Amino acid sequence: DGGITQSPKYLFRKEGQNVTLSCEQNLNHDAMYWYRQDPGQGLRLIYYSQIVNDFQKGDIAEGYSVSREKKESFPLTVTSAQKNPTAFYLCASSISWGWSNQPQHFGDGTRLSIL
Amino acid sequence: SQQGEEDPQALSIQEGENATMNCSYKTSINNLQWYRQNSGRGLVHLILIRSNEREKHSGRLRVTLDTSKKSSSLLITASRAADTASYFCATDGDGGTSYGKLTFGQGTILTVHP
Repeated sequence: DGGITQSPKYLFRKEGQNVTLSCEQNLNHDAMYWYRQDPGQGLRLIYYSQIVNDFQKGDIAEGYSVSREKKESFPLTVTSAQKNPTAFYLCASSISWGWSNQPQHFGDGTRLSIL
Repeated sequence: SQQGEEDPQALSIQEGENATMNCSYKTSINNLQWYRQNSGRGLVHLILIRSNEREKHSGRLRVTLDTSKKSSSLLITASRAADTASYFCATDGDGGTSYGKLTFGQGTILTVHP
């Protein structure tokens, strides 16, 4: 079955440590997204990628970094500069950027906590 | 800033009743989408309504869109305990730009009691 796989499901970060969240899709989608969700809140866009080897900052990019070296992979690194990283992180994809009227497909998230 | 805002924040009903959730937004849109999120899981796309449509149905779901009032509603008929989840609206196109970039509301938590 096609879909988006996020790993790990739970992740703990120590002070001053960078951690990387994995996101892999086999839907052959061009566009991929990373969102942050805080308790009782909606989703906020961290980074997005329209196509391989390209990515853009979203609304809350500070303290995060991404890469898009392969079409199917869009890893997110939470750096030590992100002072409040505890949240639920969701990765999503869509067929193509620039096409309106298309849904986004989501993985099941990674819950990040500080030790 | 949040484009969509859902109302109510929480809704509790009995199985078999209808559930209505509302979403308001601020700028012009290309389309509005509704998503469902079960606790601890990712979002699942439910339905998309384009800016030139007024109503759309999918199974027990009915979505309306009023662009003059910048609002949408999601109606779930004959609710089931399995419908218990958070429901989010999302808009695409903040003023006609940013195709592909969705802006999500804060969600309505629906609880359906058996």
